Amino acid sequence: GAVVSQHPSRVICKSGTSVKIECRSLDFQATTMFWYRQFPKKSLMLMATSNEGSKATYEQGVEKDKFLINHASLTLSTLTVTSAHPEDSSFYICSASKGAGANVLTFGAGSRLTVL
Amino acid sequence: QQQVKQSPQSLIVQKGGISIINCAYENTAFDYFPWYQQFPGKGPALLIAIRPDVSEKKEGRFTISFNKSAKQFSLHIMDSQPGDSATYFCAASYGSSNTGKLIFGQGTTLQVKP
Repeated sequence: GAVVSQHPSRVICKSGTSVKIECRSLDFQATTMFWYRQFPKKSLMLMATSNEGSKATYEQGVEKDKFLINHASLTLSTLTVTSAHPEDSSFYICSASKGAGANVLTFGAGSRLTVL
Repeated sequence: QQQVKQSPQSLIVQKGGISIINCAYENTAFDYFPWYQQFPGKGPALLIAIRPDVSEKKEGRFTISFNKSAKQFSLHIMDSQPGDSATYFCAASYGSSNTGKLIFGQGTTLQVKP
């Protein structure tokens, strides 16, 4: 089956530093990956759509300069939270599309970011 | 119009009972309706999904009922088990024609009591 790996699963950083989260499709090539943010006991909020070899498409209200997304290869997308602040603390989840259509979407296990 | 509204927010069911979670949508362009199960600290996992050309889909103890005219769909978990205790999200997408951007419902926390 399709497997999506996220790393790190947990990260704690100081306010003002930058943190990079990786999302890898382990056994398939993903032309498109999605990044979500989830607050405790809340739903998943789509942040951006990441397409291999092109700029990410951000959802309304998501700061492009704060959340840098790079999809450098067909198996790797990265989310960098720049100059992190405590309000950026959240659960970040990626998903990868094996092909056209949401029926081939696989989610990663998520990355818990805590900014002190 | 992009919203998917889910209810109830939380649900407590006795073991062996039926759990029912409901979702409603506005955008008639949606053509793919999945349900996801999420355990604490984990990413969501696809449980079952339906397209609007059918009114019901069953996989094991899980059934989706779809009412296109009412723009509503629901998840039924038969013979609910303590291991089913999790958060469930409905979602909608224009999935069949693009890369699968999902709009999620608010989530339902299910607790199945032994």
